[in-house]
Amino acid sequence: QKEVEQNSGPLSVPEGAIASLNCTYSDRGSQSFFWYRQYSGKSPELIMSIYSNGDKEDGRFTAQLNKASQYVSLLIRDSQPSDSATYLCAVTMNSGYSTLTFGKGTMLLVSP
Amino acid sequence: ETGVTQTPRHLVMGMTNKKSLKCEQHLGHNAMYWYKQSAKKPLELMFVYSLEERVENNSVPSRFSPECPNSSHLFLHLHTLQPEDSALYLCASREGSGANVLTFGAGSRLTVL
Repeated sequence: QKEVEQNSGPLSVPEGAIASLNCTYSDRGSQSFFWYRQYSGKSPELIMSIYSNGDKEDGRFTAQLNKASQYVSLLIRDSQPSDSATYLCAVTMNSGYSTLTFGKGTMLLVSP
Repeated sequence: ETGVTQTPRHLVMGMTNKKSLKCEQHLGHNAMYWYKQSAKKPLELMFVYSLEERVENNSVPSRFSPECPNSSHLFLHLHTLQPEDSALYLCASREGSGANVLTFGAGSRLTVL
């Protein structure tokens, strides 16, 4: 049974702080890793993808991957109230059908 | 607007009703998916259609029946549902091989009375 684990939160940070969201996965053969953001009442939207060990930066977002530890994280610098949402970690074996396995998500609350 | 359109956005039905959810993608993608999202649970893959081939999660009850007439349209037919089937049903599409990135529709919120 492939599993993706996330702390459900809520994770509360003040505006301007760094928010750190963590995810672990059980399938050592996983190859592709994604972070989706889901605002309340809305559908998930992709914000980051990472495929190799190390860091990947995109604006205020940095994804970090450590395959040996089966761990992927998302850092949000200079957090804004508009970042308040649920962040879903998703993992795939990179199969032809892209059968993503999702975590339950971590709710992030950024207070002004 | 993500390019994946789902209708209806909200649906209330009794356990004896038959209804259908519709999804249409305008992105030229090659695969379409149905996911179920319940409170406090991870997104659950229900069905995948890729190049008219169907892949399904064997744990999905037969009261859910998918239909994919072409690469742009996907339906989820519902009959004799149970209250525990109340959830947000999300349709997603994926572009060609190698991308592994899903684009989700806004979802259909289903309530079974």
